[in-house]
Amino acid sequence: GAGVSQSPRYKVTKRGQDVTLRCDPISSHATLYWYQQALGQGPEFLTYFNYEAQPDKSGLPSDRFSAERPEGSISTLTIQRTEQRDSAMYRCASSPDTLREQYFGPGTRLTVT
Amino acid sequence: GQQVMQIPQYQHVQEGEDFTTYCNSSTTLSNIQWYKQRPGGHPVFLIQLVKSGEVKKQKRLTFQFGEAKKNSSLHITATQTTDVGTYFCAGRTSGTYKYIFGTGTRLKVLA
Repeated sequence: GAGVSQSPRYKVTKRGQDVTLRCDPISSHATLYWYQQALGQGPEFLTYFNYEAQPDKSGLPSDRFSAERPEGSISTLTIQRTEQRDSAMYRCASSPDTLREQYFGPGTRLTVT
Repeated sequence: GQQVMQIPQYQHVQEGEDFTTYCNSSTTLSNIQWYKQRPGGHPVFLIQLVKSGEVKKQKRLTFQFGEAKKNSSLHITATQTTDVGTYFCAGRTSGTYKYIFGTGTRLKVLA
């Protein structure tokens, strides 16, 4: 595709519900990152994938957060039993590899009420 | 853990003035990337620095990587209103492939 896309762009959910966010990376890109970005702050690393492998998930805040990239392309980030503190912009970025530039998607704005 | 700080947090300049943001890491970096994020937008890659003491230029933008590879700077000459946004550095340390983003510098340019 032309760039990284994310869906939904906005998600409002009630506390305790599960949500799944989707990322479509640039098709040729091996590496995919997930970040959480609070308003006025820099993106904060959550996890990354190299193809379908997930070498580092050290940034996931708790075991309620999980991510998948089963076929090495599309990725999902799932948050179980959402809490108000999970409200943030969730950004996906893809890269040709781990040592090159990252291309960010438009993000998903999650609001937990 | 690794921390990346940027100063200043905010900068207001008159159009035509120069601007510099500084990025400081608590640990030695393997490489550093710079991104620009316009208000309401997403981070857009500007450049990557890898070598100690490296200097790269892109038109009015000059990027430097410190000799010790723990700090970096971005200098904009003769700012324009199109330079408005938040500038982030993102550093990676050896042995990991995760990038730690700095706190960002928000630039406002007054016409």
